Amino acid sequence: KQEVTQIPAALSVPEGENLVLNCSFTDSAIYNLQWFRQDPGKGLTSLLLIQSSQREQTSGRLNASLDKSSGRSTLYIAASQPGDSATYLCAVRPKGYQFYFGTGTSLTVIP
Amino acid sequence: KAGVTQTPRYLIKTRGQQVTLSCSPISGHRSVSWYQQTPGQGLQFLFEYFSETQRNKGNFPGRFSGRQFSNSRSEMNVSTLELGDSALYLCASSEGLAGATISYEQYFGPGTRLTVT
Repeated sequence: KQEVTQIPAALSVPEGENLVLNCSFTDSAIYNLQWFRQDPGKGLTSLLLIQSSQREQTSGRLNASLDKSSGRSTLYIAASQPGDSATYLCAVRPKGYQFYFGTGTSLTVIP
Repeated sequence: KAGVTQTPRYLIKTRGQQVTLSCSPISGHRSVSWYQQTPGQGLQFLFEYFSETQRNKGNFPGRFSGRQFSNSRSEMNVSTLELGDSALYLCASSEGLAGATISYEQYFGPGTRLTVT
């Protein structure tokens, strides 16, 4: 069974700082990995999708990397803003259709 | 395009009752997945439907069931509700099922908050 771990569980940074969120998974046979953000009490918003054949994806101030061999992905957020405060979740889709989610990193950006 | 919609947004039920939740995927999306989110267990996969067929099922008791209609809309049903079923139920849609050479992005709805008393 795929296990997905996200470290740290919570992170607090001053506005403007660059930061890295980590996601690790146990089974490297995956179709893709997707990063989401979730605001309190709300659904998930897709941030980036990395196919298994890709090494990274970028969208604006966000950059996600994927290293299947080591079972790791990182989400890099540049020049953080208070609006980035949310819980960030990674999800991997192994070859079997079901998505497995990490427990999330709760990010607070202090103005 | 309109996003994934879920109805109702909030629901309060008592133990022993049953409930039906509805999900309308993004137009053109044929795959619908359901998840349960609780503070203790996080996001857990319930089931996935594609072309009206259940393609994958998570580790939940038989009280949890679902179906998908020909227009890709999906419903999930929980019978004999228990206090532990209180959760945010999320629906996600994607264009298709992941395969060996292609995979699809998931788009989530706002969720249905179910409270069982």
